[in-house]
Amino acid sequence: DVKVTQSSRYLVKRTGEKVFLECVQDMDHENMFWYRQDPGLGLRLIYFSYDVKMKEKGDIPEGYSVSREKKERFSLILESASTNQTSMYLCASTDRFNYGYTFGSGTRLTVV
Amino acid sequence: KQEVTQIPAALSVPEGENLVLNCSFTDSAIYNLQWFRQDPGKGLTSLLLIQSSQREQTSGRLNASLDKSSGRSTLYIAASQPGDSATYLCAVLGRGSTLGRLYFGRGTQLTVWP
Repeated sequence: DVKVTQSSRYLVKRTGEKVFLECVQDMDHENMFWYRQDPGLGLRLIYFSYDVKMKEKGDIPEGYSVSREKKERFSLILESASTNQTSMYLCASTDRFNYGYTFGSGTRLTVV
Repeated sequence: KQEVTQIPAALSVPEGENLVLNCSFTDSAIYNLQWFRQDPGKGLTSLLLIQSSQREQTSGRLNASLDKSSGRSTLYIAASQPGDSATYLCAVLGRGSTLGRLYFGRGTQLTVWP
């Protein structure tokens, strides 16, 4: 079965820390995405990538950066974590034909 | 910009009922539409994908229809069970969006009680 794997289910970090969220897919997908999900706001796109070393800003990129050094791995980086970045983070991927998204199981990040 | 609306926001029904969840979108020029299920604290699980050229897709007790011209999709759940309790999300992919960007509705939170 194809999979998108997020390395952590739960994370607790301190304000000001640099935080790395990792996502790996085993489907040889070209496109990968990072969303955050908050009650009342739905899913919001942070960054996406359509190829190795390529990245595009989504709707809320401020305070985040990404890295895609290998096709299967897409990392989200919180440069200096803040309490307003406490959220559920979801990674997803799709092939270049955009035939359906596959999501990871999510990372619940709490910044204290 | 594409906007996706789901009605109702929440639904609570007894076991065994047949259900219809609604999704509408403002721009009918879509590439495909996908229905997801999300359990509390978990990621999204894909249920059904309908290409723009299709009218419906079926998987077990689930049936999703698409009417592009009116900007609507429905998810039909037959003979609901308590295990169907979850949030159901509708998402559309617009044409010309070569980068695969999805637009999501806010979801319908379904509770099926025994």
